[in-house]
Amino acid sequence: QLLESGGGLVQPGGSLRLSCAASGFTSSSYAMSWVRQAPGKGLEWVSTISGSGGSTYYADSVKGRFTISRDNSKNTLFLQINSLRAEDTAVYYCAKGRATTVFFDYWGQGTLVTVSS
Amino acid sequence: EIVLTQSPATLSLSPGERATLSCRASQSVSSYLAWYQQKPGQAPRLLIYDASNRATGIPARFSGSGSGTDFTLTISSLEPEDFAVYYCQQRSNWPPITFGPGTKVDIK
Repeated sequence: QLLESGGGLVQPGGSLRLSCAASGFTSSSYAMSWVRQAPGKGLEWVSTISGSGGSTYYADSVKGRFTISRDNSKNTLFLQINSLRAEDTAVYYCAKGRATTVFFDYWGQGTLVTVSS
Repeated sequence: EIVLTQSPATLSLSPGERATLSCRASQSVSSYLAWYQQKPGQAPRLLIYDASNRATGIPARFSGSGSGTDFTLTISSLEPEDFAVYYCQQRSNWPPITFGPGTKVDIK
């Protein structure tokens, strides 16, 4: 199970920290990712972190503003979101990679981030 | 960046009918393609991975085929719960991981 938290309403230029608590599996064995979905739109990959946390990857649209991290001792994934823009408004899902891949076999329920003044 | 194109955008069918959804990649992704189902207000669910392997718990009426640039998701006989949006996703050449724009299967 994956349970996200931390979303909310934030002004442009603001920051948020999203969390995703994992249970039922050892998260350090799997890459974890964030995928977002703007209202009424499709899925957009945001970021991925390796099982160890040693490798991170970002979409160009968020590079330099978002930081993915994980605390394997607490089975928790994070996404620090800075310099928020209106176009970052979306439901943010955390997702677990299947086996050693970045196909996503488990998803959280999502947390809504709304960027508006 | 590999761009995925899905067709049709909307597929209007009746329960019991066969659904055929297409996903085309801008360059070869080998067999590194997945399909997801998403219902309103819910997270996506993995249906097919590596082009043709059903994920755990996915009914046999869902099947995937293809390799290279052209892929198909087939639902052999639509059940009422299958009316949803379907996305394809590639992991062949990433980052970035890319998704297609989706095909909505709605009730005719």
